Amino acid sequence: GAGVSQSPRYKVAKRGQDVALRCDPISGHVSLFWYQQALGQGPEFLTYFQNEAQLDKSGLPSDRFFAERPEGSVSTLKIQRTQQEDSAVYLCASSLGRGHTEAFFGQGTRLTVV
Amino acid sequence: DAKTTQPNSMESNEEEPVHLPCNHSTISGTDYIHWYRQLPSQGPEYVIHGLTSNVNNRMASLAIAEDRKSSTLILHRATLRDAAVYYCIQLGETSGSRLTFGEGTQLTVNP
Repeated sequence: GAGVSQSPRYKVAKRGQDVALRCDPISGHVSLFWYQQALGQGPEFLTYFQNEAQLDKSGLPSDRFFAERPEGSVSTLKIQRTQQEDSAVYLCASSLGRGHTEAFFGQGTRLTVV
Repeated sequence: DAKTTQPNSMESNEEEPVHLPCNHSTISGTDYIHWYRQLPSQGPEYVIHGLTSNVNNRMASLAIAEDRKSSTLILHRATLRDAAVYYCIQLGETSGSRLTFGEGTQLTVNP
């Protein structure tokens, strides 16, 4: 498929465990975003990449959250020492560039911390 | 982040038009209005965006008030597949490309 792909779709982690969430953006898309969506809420911005450069990480809730995009394509969001409040859907989006271009979202990874 | 206000929920009947309102009273001259929608268990999906003039595409129309402090997303004939949460987002230079979602409007379409 030509869309944004995220894996895994579902992840159950024990409290304190580290997790890694993967995002495959649309080929050629320069911009990549991560969002966190709690149940019943709208998505909230976490971080933004332009190619391999992380230009904005102001939305990352703590230093347990880390994102990378080393070759400017696939991105990984890592959460260390997961806590119950990290339970949410993590959405990845990509777009051709900055500004007013359409963002394409993946289906998200639902993380449940028990 | 720029804030928009929308009704929490709206209801429509199938094959009837739907007008989804949005207030963005703090909008500045270079801010665009974007609309996304999110179907159940899916990621958000782009619908339409505009700056000043009314815009049309295959999915919907966007009517922007003359003072730009409000806009309306118009679905010309609602279908059951249009049942979703609709988000109105104010996007400007200071926000870069990051989307600030509010709680959106939950649209229910009755058969």
